[in-house]
Parts: sequence; structure tokens; C-alpha cells
Amino acid sequence: AQKVTQAQTEISVVEKEDVTLDCVYETRDTTYYLFWYKQPPSGELVFLIRRNSFDEQNEISGRYSWNFQKSTSSFNFTITASQVVDSAVYFCALRCLEYGNKLVFGAGTILRVKS
Amino acid sequence: GAVVSQHPSWVICKSGTSVKIECRSLDFQATTMFWYRQFPKQSLMLMATSNEGSKATYEQGVEKDKFLINHASLTLSTLTVTSAHPEDSSFYICSAKTSSYNSPLHFGNGTRLTVT
Repeated sequence: AQKVTQAQTEISVVEKEDVTLDCVYETRDTTYYLFWYKQPPSGELVFLIRRNSFDEQNEISGRYSWNFQKSTSSFNFTITASQVVDSAVYFCALRCLEYGNKLVFGAGTILRVKS
Repeated sequence: GAVVSQHPSWVICKSGTSVKIECRSLDFQATTMFWYRQFPKQSLMLMATSNEGSKATYEQGVEKDKFLINHASLTLSTLTVTSAHPEDSSFYICSAKTSSYNSPLHFGNGTRLTVT
């Protein structure tokens, strides 16, 4: 099984639609960190959020929100009222001792927001 | 916030030549730096981990003699692609962290290497 699974390869939405990007992770560690990054066409990685395994509170930041569910090993990311500028590749990542404390990325989800 | 500067942002070189990519932490001491490689439309794959003053640890399948990594100071790591070939064309991204376990990773903006 993959350590970080982003089952959605590509998602297309129309502007102002809400969209949820799924992320499922796998680790036997009880202490770990989960991340979301945005990679626009220019290539740089933009840090969005870091969440540790002991903090299951959902988080909202503007139009972004994250739903962390340890019971299902998921850390999903929702963009509300999507905009064209949200078009990018989004990566979910995991860091834990089981994997050498290295950041392990999912395959990424390409989000296309059309006007 | 913490800034990691990666240079050059893009480079084109001829097959057989070597290319050096620099990764600098501008406002913090980077005890550990990571080098990633990303092929088009794929995820980031960790190539190696370097700790300041030590030899880099390479991931399985990464040729250490081809991808030379030097981390001689707390603010600079370099990746040299030796005898580059077209199949080495890729996007290379570095990231850096401090010695703290909780330290976040700070990423450079990446280097797009094209070998002709």
C-alpha cells in the first residue's frame, strides 16, 4: 500500500464551485505530521498547512479548510468558492519516524478551475 | 519567514557536461537539507538527505556518483549533476530544516534542468 494516496489524479471545476481533494495516509507511528502543498505552474512549492497527529481539530483558513480524520487515516482539503488562481497541483505529504522522518509525498492532484 | 534560495532557476546544458545547483538557507541554519527530483506530471521523489558536515544519504536507486551532494556549511548545500544526459532533465527542488524535530521544511523554488 502507498504511504500517501491521492486517488484523484485530476479534477476540473467551474469557478465558484467547492472542491475537495482527498488524501489517505498510512503509518504505524502514533506521532506524525501531515502537510498540504500547492504547486502552481511556475513550479515552486507553496506550503499550505501542517497538522500533527494529536491535533484532530479541523482548520479553516479563508477559503481553505482541512478535515483530519484519524479513524479513516484521511486528511482532506476543501477549497470553497474556487477561483482560477487555485489551478495548480496539490500534494499531500506525510512525515514520521517510520519513514525515516522524511517527507513522503502523494502523487498529487491536478486541479483545474475554469472561468 | 524562513527563506530558501535555489539557484539557478533554470539551466540548459549539453550532454556530457556537469551542472551545479545551489540551495541556500538565507535566515536560518539548515542542519539538514533534502534534494528532490520531479519528472513532468509526477510527484516529488526524494533523492538524498544531507546533514551539514556529513556525507549525504542517498535513496535507493539514486546514483551517488552521478548526483554529487555537498553540504559543507549550515547555509549551503549543492547538487552537482555529473556528465549529464537528456534523461537527467527534470525539476530539482531542495528543502531545508533546522535541527529541531518539529522544524518545518522550507523549500527552494526549484531548478529546471534541460540537457540537450
